[in-house]
Order: sequence, then C-alpha cells, then structure tokens
Amino acid sequence: KAGVTQTPRYLIKTRGQQVTLSCSPISGHRSVSWYQQTPGQGLQFLFEYFSETQRNKGNFPGRFSGRQFSNSRSEMNVSTLELGDSALYLCASSLNPGTSSGELFFGEGSRLTVL
Amino acid sequence: GESVGLHLPTLSVQEGDNSIINCAYSNSASDYFIWYKQESGKGPQFIIDIRSNMDKRQGQRVTVLLNKTVKHLSLQIAATQPGDSAVYFCAERAYGNKLVFGAGTILRVKS
Repeated sequence: KAGVTQTPRYLIKTRGQQVTLSCSPISGHRSVSWYQQTPGQGLQFLFEYFSETQRNKGNFPGRFSGRQFSNSRSEMNVSTLELGDSALYLCASSLNPGTSSGELFFGEGSRLTVL
Repeated sequence: GESVGLHLPTLSVQEGDNSIINCAYSNSASDYFIWYKQESGKGPQFIIDIRSNMDKRQGQRVTVLLNKTVKHLSLQIAATQPGDSAVYFCAERAYGNKLVFGAGTILRVKS
C-alpha cells in the first residue's frame, strides 16, 4: 500500500513568486492536513480538508490556501512568497477527521527554499 | 492559546538503556496525545497515542504516560537501540486532525 506522496520534493523560488504543492493521500483516506515545519517555529498546522471542504485552518495569512479534489488529492498554494516561507511542508492523511486515534500518516514533505 | 511546550533538548542514552522523553501541554480539552518520531529527511512517523481518559498505554518497547493533573506527557522507550535515534515530538489533538506539536527532543543513542 503506497504511502502519502508529496510533489515536488524540493523546489527553489524567489520572493514574490507563488508555489503549488501537491499531496496524494493513502488510498482510501479522505482527510488531508497540511503542516509547515521550520527550525524556529517547529511543526505548525496550516489547514485540514475532508470531502473537498476545509474543516479547520491554522493561523497563517491568506497567502496560504489549499483545496481538495474529489479523489482526495490535495494541493496547497502560497502566493507572493516571502523569505520566511522557506520550510518543509508536510502533508498528512487519515481515514476521517477526528478518528478514534491520533494517528496521521505523513508524507516526506516538500522542501521549499525562497531566495 | 494552544501550545505544547517543549524546548529542543538532546537526550543521549547508551544502547540498551531505557529512554524517557518528557512533554508539557496546555490544552485540557485535547482528546488525544500522540508521540511522533522524525528521522532525518523523512516525515513524522506515528509511534503511539493515548486518549485523554487514560493514564498509561503500552506498545512494543514504548509506553506513554499521561498526567492530566500537571498536564504532562512522557514517552518511555525500553532497551533503546541505535535505530531509535531521531527527533521525537509530542502532539495534542483538540479538534479534527489539527495537531499542536511540541518543539521536539533529539534522542541520540550511543553504541
């Protein structure tokens, strides 16, 4: 059974550009969450999607957005990139939100560098 | 606000010894507390979780203890192995799949 797949794994952008990251959850998983990981702030929740609807959103500016498709695949977009957006962006999937377990399955992340 | 407080200390243990990693949390409304392991270049990997109405839960070589009185969570790893070397994160879940993570603890296992 394939795990959570994130693309691209690495990318470099310049300030002001935008970026789109993709996440394919584990087959059958319908909930997808996104997290940002930086050395200074650690792992921070961005948003969560279930059945193409955003269920929850973290404390990030509106430049950060996402969506989920009918096949549960998800994308997140960051517009007008800033240097501080350099981070590892992690996607996690689970069967349903708030299941009777704390287990989320994480992908290996997309490492974004903003120059 | 929500926070799971954990600086990023380093715990060095000898192979075969037991390891104990600690974590403080702040949200009494969280329903699950979870431990994740992250190896270099990889995403976090689920280790074990504990529901808020429990005090202790055991897995394979790992035990999680929850003390709600002092809002403290700990992960015990028995017979620590070199493959256990990683960064360990505690996390709490308050709603849906929104997890609030601690800063992490580096575990180094000396052979």
